[in-house]
This record gives sequence, structure tokens and C-alpha cells, in this order.
Amino acid sequence: KAGVTQTPRYLIKTRGQQVTLSCSPISGHRSVSWYQQTPGQGLQFLFEYFSETQRNKGNFPGRFSGRQFSNSRSEMNVSTLELGDSALYLCASSLGDRYNEQFFGPGTRLTVL
Amino acid sequence: ELKVEQNPLFLSMQEGKNYTIYCNYSTTSDRLYWYRQDPGKSLESLFVLLSNGAVKQEGRLMASLDTKARLSTLHITAAVHDLSATYFCAVGFMNYGGATNKLIFGTGTLLAVQP
Repeated sequence: KAGVTQTPRYLIKTRGQQVTLSCSPISGHRSVSWYQQTPGQGLQFLFEYFSETQRNKGNFPGRFSGRQFSNSRSEMNVSTLELGDSALYLCASSLGDRYNEQFFGPGTRLTVL
Repeated sequence: ELKVEQNPLFLSMQEGKNYTIYCNYSTTSDRLYWYRQDPGKSLESLFVLLSNGAVKQEGRLMASLDTKARLSTLHITAAVHDLSATYFCAVGFMNYGGATNKLIFGTGTLLAVQP
């Protein structure tokens, strides 16, 4: 069974640009959550999508947005990049019920110059 | 607001020794997860704990959950070098207005097992 995939794996952008990251969950999983990991703030929840609907959102500015498609694949977008957006972005996939195990993808390493 | 504290932040152990990592959380939750992260890698799921008194074991690792004390422990028995990694606990956020898979993570414990 294929795991969670994320593309691209590495990105280098400059301040002010925008970026789109993609996450393909495990087949049959309907929930996708996104997390930002930085050395200073640790792992922080960005948002969760279930059946194409945002089910919960973390405390991030509106520059961070996401969506989910009918095949459960999810994208997150960051507009007007800032240096502080440099981080490892992880997505997690699960069946949907909150008691299900969550499986993380390999992450996208974003560097903002 | 749900806060999750892990301690210690850093743990240097000798091979063959036992130790425990602690995870405290501030408000009610009905699920707790333990993950392992190797340098530059993603998170690997270790345990899912769903009820008070739950205990799960895999190899040299054993996790337990006390929901009344809002405490989970990850016990390492006879550590080996391969266990060197960062370990995170994550507590499920209780969204009383609807379902959610949101997790609040602890700060992580960097475990270094010395030969």
C-alpha cells in the first residue's frame, strides 16, 4: 500500500513570491491535515480537510490557505512569502474518524530567501 | 487552550539502560499519539492510545496513558543505538462543535543513545 506522498520535496523561493505544495493521501483516506515544523516553534497545525471541506484551522495568517479535491488530494498555498515561512511542511493522512491513526508524508522543505 | 509539555527535552543514555519520557497535557483529550522522527525525515507513527490505562508495547518501547492525570509516558527498556531519534507526543484536540483530527504536539525529546 503506497504511503503519503508530497511534492515537491524541496523548494527555494524568494520573499514576496507564492508557493503551492501538494499532498496525496493513502488510498481510501479522506482526511488530510497540514503541519508546519520549525526549530523555534516546533510542529504547528495549519488546517485539516475532510471530504473537500476545511474541518479545522490553526492560528496562521490568511496568507496560508488550502483545499482538497474530490480524490482527497490536497494542496496548500502560501502567498507573499516571508523569511519566517521557511520550514518543513508535513501533511498527515487518515481515514477520517478522529480515533484513526495518522500517517505523515515525507514533507516539503521550503526555504525562503 | 490545549498545551502539551514533554520532558526531558534532551536525553543522553547509555546502551542497555532504561529511561522514561513524560508527556503532560493541560485539557481533556481522548487520544494520544507517539511519533518518532529521524534527522531530516518525517514522522513515524509508534503508538495510538485511546483510553485511560491503555498500554502498548513494541520492542523496547512501551507507552501508557493516564487520562485522569493527563499524562502519558514512553518507557525505553535496554536502549540501543538504533533508538536514537527525536520522539514526539501529540494530543488530539477536542472540538466539541464537530469532528477533527487536529493534533497538538509536544516539544519533542531528542534521545541520544551512546554505545
